[in-house]
Amino acid sequence: AQTVTQSQPEMSVQEAETVTLSCTYDTSESDYYLFWYKQPPSRQMILVIRQEAYKQQNATENRFSVNFQKAAKSFSLKISDSQLGDAAMYFCAYRRVGTTSGTYKYIFGTGTRLKVLA
Amino acid sequence: GAVVSQHPSWVICKSGTSVKIECRSLDFQATTMFWYRQFPKQSLMLMATSNEGSKATYEQGVEKDKFLINHASLTLSTLTVTSAHPEDSSFYICSAPVGALPSTDTQYFGPGTRLTVL
Repeated sequence: AQTVTQSQPEMSVQEAETVTLSCTYDTSESDYYLFWYKQPPSRQMILVIRQEAYKQQNATENRFSVNFQKAAKSFSLKISDSQLGDAAMYFCAYRRVGTTSGTYKYIFGTGTRLKVLA
Repeated sequence: GAVVSQHPSWVICKSGTSVKIECRSLDFQATTMFWYRQFPKQSLMLMATSNEGSKATYEQGVEKDKFLINHASLTLSTLTVTSAHPEDSSFYICSAPVGALPSTDTQYFGPGTRLTVL
């Protein structure tokens, strides 16, 4: 069975600085999707970034980028120029590739709470 | 982007009563929706996969008779917590994938429903 591990329960970063959140996963599949979701105090889950496993190029979305190391099964999120609005819980998630509804299931990590210090 | 709504956003009920939570896809059709449960400061745990026109698929350990799921249309799934007890108090979140099989790879989440059972 697939598992997702986030080993950092909480992280802090100074405003305008850079922070990296870690995520490792375990799977026997060769193709899959990986995601980072943000959950602010409102509890609304917001997609931050996604990565297809077959793509070697790391995904980027403005200030957010990932370091995807497929062989090491590592998927870290880097937030550059941190802003106060980045403070939230961040969840790493894994999803298999497939065509049946069951393969849409996300497996979430336990989350990392990010604090941004002014 | 795609929008998923939930109603109600919060509900308080007495022990032994039943509570219905609605999940709607507002600007797209969803043949599949997912229901998650989130305890305070914890990750999202998948409860069941809701399939339009067929029975829901429940995750191991989730009581089917207690958490009734009905996916009556392509835009609506409901979760009914029957004979609710205080231990059912939690934050319930639904999600739906957007796009056509098999390329779709992203789910959009509803804002969640906080259930408190007295």
